[in-house]
Amino acid sequence: EAGVTQSPTHLIKTRGQQATLRCSPISGHTSVYWYQQALGLGLQFLLWYDEGEERNRGNFPPRFSGRQFPNYSSELNVNALELEDSALYLCASSWKTSTDTQYFGPGTRLTVL
Amino acid sequence: GENVEQHPSTLSVQEGDSAVIKCTYSDSASNYFPWYKQELGKGPQLIIDIRSNVGEKKDQRIAVTLNKTAKHFSLHITETQPEDSAVYFCAASKSGNQFYFGTGTSLTVIP
Repeated sequence: EAGVTQSPTHLIKTRGQQATLRCSPISGHTSVYWYQQALGLGLQFLLWYDEGEERNRGNFPPRFSGRQFPNYSSELNVNALELEDSALYLCASSWKTSTDTQYFGPGTRLTVL
Repeated sequence: GENVEQHPSTLSVQEGDSAVIKCTYSDSASNYFPWYKQELGKGPQLIIDIRSNVGEKKDQRIAVTLNKTAKHFSLHITETQPEDSAVYFCAASKSGNQFYFGTGTSLTVIP
């Protein structure tokens, strides 16, 4: 069974640009979660989607947004990129609810120059 | 909201020794507690988890204990090996809420 996949692996942007990150969950999983992990830091919760709806978002500005498609894949968009947005962005998926195990993808390394 | 604290932030042990990482949580309604291992350049991988109706769970060299009264849970790794070197994260969750992660413990196993 394929795990969570993310694309691209690496992304380099300049300040002010927009970045789009993609995530495909494990087959059968309906919930997708996005986390930001800045260098040497822990996982900061960004967004949670389930059945196409945004269920919760972390303490991030509105320029961080996303969506979940009918096939449960998800996209994270970061507008007006700032230098401090440079981080590893991790996607996780789970079966249904927040107390189901989350399985993580390998992440997208975003570098903002 | 939930607050998860994790200690220590760094831990060095000799190969073959045991390692213990501790986490506390604030929300007594939290009922699911996973542990993840993250190797350099990779996403976190689930290594063991425990639910609030169980006090202890073991999987080979790895065990997790949960004390609901004190609101803390711990990861125990016995007979450590160099490949156990990684960053370990604990998390807590309850129904309808996202995971709240600890700040991570960097474990180094010295051969």
